[in-house]
Amino acid sequence: GAVVSQHPSRVICKSGTSVKIECRSLDFQATTMFWYRQFPKQSLMLMATSNEGSKATYEQGVEKDKFLINHASLTLSTLTVTSAHPEDSSFYICSAREPGQRRGYNEQFFGPGTRLTVL
Amino acid sequence: GIQVEQSPPDLILQEGANSTLRCNFSDSVNNLQWFHQNPWGQLINLFYIPSGTKQNGRLSATTVATERYSLLYISSSQTTDSGVYFCAVEQWETDSWGKFQFGAGTQVVVTP
Repeated sequence: GAVVSQHPSRVICKSGTSVKIECRSLDFQATTMFWYRQFPKQSLMLMATSNEGSKATYEQGVEKDKFLINHASLTLSTLTVTSAHPEDSSFYICSAREPGQRRGYNEQFFGPGTRLTVL
Repeated sequence: GIQVEQSPPDLILQEGANSTLRCNFSDSVNNLQWFHQNPWGQLINLFYIPSGTKQNGRLSATTVATERYSLLYISSSQTTDSGVYFCAVEQWETDSWGKFQFGAGTQVVVTP
């Protein structure tokens, strides 16, 4: 299957700093990527849909000024957590779907995740 | 929105045992995937199965779309099967192409 990478895999930062997380599709181009958040022992919650060349679409309750998303190319989307606070500590996961797939096939592939700890 | 329920929430198996995980969803879906989240957090694609039956080694899955459920079968379980199994579904609308709704997951522990 397709491969999605994330960097960094783990980051620890001080409260008030900004952290950037990269999501890359390694062997395919992705016009759409997705960002999820997962708290310990919980399921994945969709935060936003990242669209190449246009603004991201945020889910209800997600602060767009806190979580900046940039999808600058067909292989890279970035999530920047601005002015991070301890409550932003979480596991962030991205996913991507190959474009051009026929509507009858829509498998998504997930990155390995980034564990963010804000002190 | 669509509700996705997985059962059981927790499952403890002895190595070699078989098990069935269930995913119920509240409305018709266009896509359904099963994932295994390993202890390091990586989601591994198991099956893309909006309908029908598929098999991959010791794992198989069946989705009965008309009755709104999917089953994941694990046979001859191994300790490496431990982790959380998620079901995720998607409904296509004008603006919700590719938006997954995840179930709460089934935590599986396989003991030697």
